[in-house]
Amino acid sequence: KAGVTQTPRYLIKTRGQQVTLSCSPISGHRSVSWYQQTPGQGLQFLFEYFSETQRNKGNFPGRFSGRQFSNSRSEMNVSTLELGDSALYLCASSLQGADGYTFGSGTRLTVV
Amino acid sequence: QKEVEQNSGPLSVPEGAIASLNCTYSDRGSQSFFWYRQYSGKSPELIMSIYSNGDKEDGRFTAQLNKASQYVSLLIRDSQPSDSATYLCAVPSGAGSYQLTFGKGTKLSVIP
Repeated sequence: KAGVTQTPRYLIKTRGQQVTLSCSPISGHRSVSWYQQTPGQGLQFLFEYFSETQRNKGNFPGRFSGRQFSNSRSEMNVSTLELGDSALYLCASSLQGADGYTFGSGTRLTVV
Repeated sequence: QKEVEQNSGPLSVPEGAIASLNCTYSDRGSQSFFWYRQYSGKSPELIMSIYSNGDKEDGRFTAQLNKASQYVSLLIRDSQPSDSATYLCAVPSGAGSYQLTFGKGTKLSVIP
């Protein structure tokens, strides 16, 4: 079966711009989580959605937002980009959220 | 702040040996535990989940959980060079939470 699909794979943006990343979960999975991965901080939780509702949110500024659609696809948005937002952004899906997550290939965001 | 601690490594073992990876967590209420493997430049891949005290075996992998001591470990028997990767321990942030807290990971090198 198809895995978790993230688009785009790579992005280069300028400081101050905004960006939208997309994630299509495994068919039937209703829980979608987003993580930021950097060499210094490791994997850090951004937010988790289930049936279009945000159930958990990590300690990130309000510039980071997300949403989930009725077909479980999810998007995350980062506004007013900063150099420190350069990272690998990973989306992961799960049937319900308590049974482990399958990660997508990620979107590598570079802010210049 | 829920914490998950791992030795960063690198951990080097010869081919055919047993690799032992350890993880401690701070939340006594944690009920589920996950091990992910991440190859360089790739996204994390779920390799083991464990929910009860004791051992769980899957092929060459064995996860061990000791809730009283708050540690979970991963043993890799007959280590192969293809096992060389970073291994991440993940624990839900609180009972019923869908937010995973990851350790920084242990980098394993299997020497032929």
